[in-house]
Amino acid sequence: GIQVEQSPPDLILQEGANSTLRCNFSDSVNNLQWFHQNPWGQLINLFYIPSGTKQNGRLSATTVATERYSLLYISSSQTTDSGVYFCAVTNDYKLSFGAGTTVTVRA
Amino acid sequence: SAVISQKPSRDICQRGTSLTIQCQVDSQVTMMFWYRQQPGQSLTLIATANQGSEATYESGFVIDKFPISRPNLTFSTLTVSNMSPEDSSIYLCSVTGQGAYGYTFGSGTRLTVV
Repeated sequence: GIQVEQSPPDLILQEGANSTLRCNFSDSVNNLQWFHQNPWGQLINLFYIPSGTKQNGRLSATTVATERYSLLYISSSQTTDSGVYFCAVTNDYKLSFGAGTTVTVRA
Repeated sequence: SAVISQKPSRDICQRGTSLTIQCQVDSQVTMMFWYRQQPGQSLTLIATANQGSEATYESGFVIDKFPISRPNLTFSTLTVSNMSPEDSSIYLCSVTGQGAYGYTFGSGTRLTVV
């Protein structure tokens, strides 16, 4: 399967700070998604972004498919942004997940 | 995007028993997937559930331990059999993406085996 590497593994932010999470993948993909897992374990779909750039409020994402990486930007972070962020990719129908980035936003 | 109802949301079970997790989707979908997330880990695909045929299991997962049913295009169950504490995990179902929405996940079942 496709190898997915996420960095950094852990991120501690002061409320209001900006941050960038990175996802590298080992092969061409036809689907890339960013998810946020909240403390209750629920997996929230943030972006479906196999290529290009998208924005949703304080979050935005960019995927450069030719260079096999994606970036998730969090601006003006809030305590509710805390949790684990996963990148997942596929080039058939099976999603491969990265190890995640654990984000802690302190008030 | 599809809406998935998964239950139970959590359970505490005795070792040696079995638990069946249900996943109901609000629209017909061809493929449904079951994932396991062990404590502090990422998600691992257990199997792909296809309507009208046996599930396809990933390496390291077997039907005797994780039997799956898929009686129609909106419903699937995963059973965790003969449980041990090592089975304590979050189990999630997912359906294939529809257009620009990607894959959607149920809210998960947090299982603790004591």
